[in-house]
Amino acid sequence: AQSVAQPEDQVNVAEGNPLTVKCTYSVSGNPYLFWYVQYPNRGLQFLLKYITGDNLVKGSYGFEAEFNKSQTSFHLKKPSALVSDSALYFCAVRDHNTNAGKSTFGDGTTLTVKP
Amino acid sequence: NAGVTQTPKFQVLKTGQSMTLQCAQDMNHEYMSWYRQDPGMGLRLIHYSVGAGITDQGEVPNGYNVSRSTTEDFPLRLLSAAPSQTSVYFCASSPGGPNTEAFFGQGTRLTVV
Repeated sequence: AQSVAQPEDQVNVAEGNPLTVKCTYSVSGNPYLFWYVQYPNRGLQFLLKYITGDNLVKGSYGFEAEFNKSQTSFHLKKPSALVSDSALYFCAVRDHNTNAGKSTFGDGTTLTVKP
Repeated sequence: NAGVTQTPKFQVLKTGQSMTLQCAQDMNHEYMSWYRQDPGMGLRLIHYSVGAGITDQGEVPNGYNVSRSTTEDFPLRLLSAAPSQTSVYFCASSPGGPNTEAFFGQGTRLTVV
């Protein structure tokens, strides 16, 4: 079985400050990890993914995420937050043995960036 | 290239009515999925398909049927709507393989009264 936890329902940061959105996961095998963003009344958009290799993954809009196998975490980060980054963020995981249709998503974290 | 297209965007049903949520993708993706999104519960997988003619149940399949007669289309059917099915429904597709990201439609907001 696979699972994802996003321990924070809400993250508030000031514009220009660094941001972190946390994600921890559980899979039986090697994980494939994804971050998606959802703006109001829109579908989810892919931000970045970890497949293998370098633990620091860079993605769209200046976001990056760090894979930590020992802590089973995949936290989303950005060095300098923008007001336009305010949205709902989802972490998702797949076991490398599962098929592509079966992702498990976290409950989401609402990021609010204040001017 | 339209990506993943869902229709309708909004729908109100009475309890016991049936309807079909449409999903089409023009990216020739093998894998397609239906999720429902409820406040505080993230996305939960309803049904998925790994190719035309092949479907399987996800986490919350009860009350929903699917079929996949073509690569492009993956409709979700509610046979007898219940208020518990009030939700936002998302269709997603991906090229195939567990390391590929999903492409989502814009969602259908369904209210069952």
